[in-house]
Amino acid sequence: AQRVTQPEKLLSVFKGAPVELKCNYSYSGSPELFWYVQYSRQRLQLLLRHISRESIKGFTADLNKGETSFHLKKPFAQEEDSAMYYCALRGYGQNFVFGPGTRLSVLP
Amino acid sequence: DAMVIQNPRYQVTQFGKPVTLSCSQTLNHNVMYWYQQKSSQAPKLLFHYYDKDFNNEADTPDNFQSRRPNTSFCFLDIRSPGLGDAAMYLCATSLRTGITLNTEAFFGQGTRLTVV
Repeated sequence: AQRVTQPEKLLSVFKGAPVELKCNYSYSGSPELFWYVQYSRQRLQLLLRHISRESIKGFTADLNKGETSFHLKKPFAQEEDSAMYYCALRGYGQNFVFGPGTRLSVLP
Repeated sequence: DAMVIQNPRYQVTQFGKPVTLSCSQTLNHNVMYWYQQKSSQAPKLLFHYYDKDFNNEADTPDNFQSRRPNTSFCFLDIRSPGLGDAAMYLCATSLRTGITLNTEAFFGQGTRLTVV
């Protein structure tokens, strides 16, 4: 079975503090992992994908196959990072499976 | 320059009264998805089209149907909405070449369905 878990429903940090949003997955093959972000009143949009190995808006995420994790990190959070973050997996049938999401609140 | 457009943004329907939600795209993507998202839950895939091929998820109730008359449009039909069907419905698209999906999923803004 393919499944994505995000243990934190809500994460609050102060501006300038480091942030880590956790994501774990279960999948028997080699998955493709994504982070999607949804800002207030906007559509769900791609933040980054593991195969790109890029940093977007200061965020990075590393796929750890041993721990089946794909945690999202940023060294210095900004207020504009406040949003809903979804971890997603593309696996069987080439469909996207989403985690329940973590709401990040960056406090001034 | 919206690429995936869902109409309407908000839909109120009566219990048991059929309702249709629509989605259009300007990306010329060959895959279109419908997700259901209830409050504080993950988006849940209902079904998807690869070109004209319809792929239903095993646990999608028969109450939910879909139509894709052409590449640009896809509809979600709920034949007899129940109170439990109140949710945000998300349409998304992606491009597939052969067995490989080349792009991420592009989402519309969603339609929030209320059942009264």
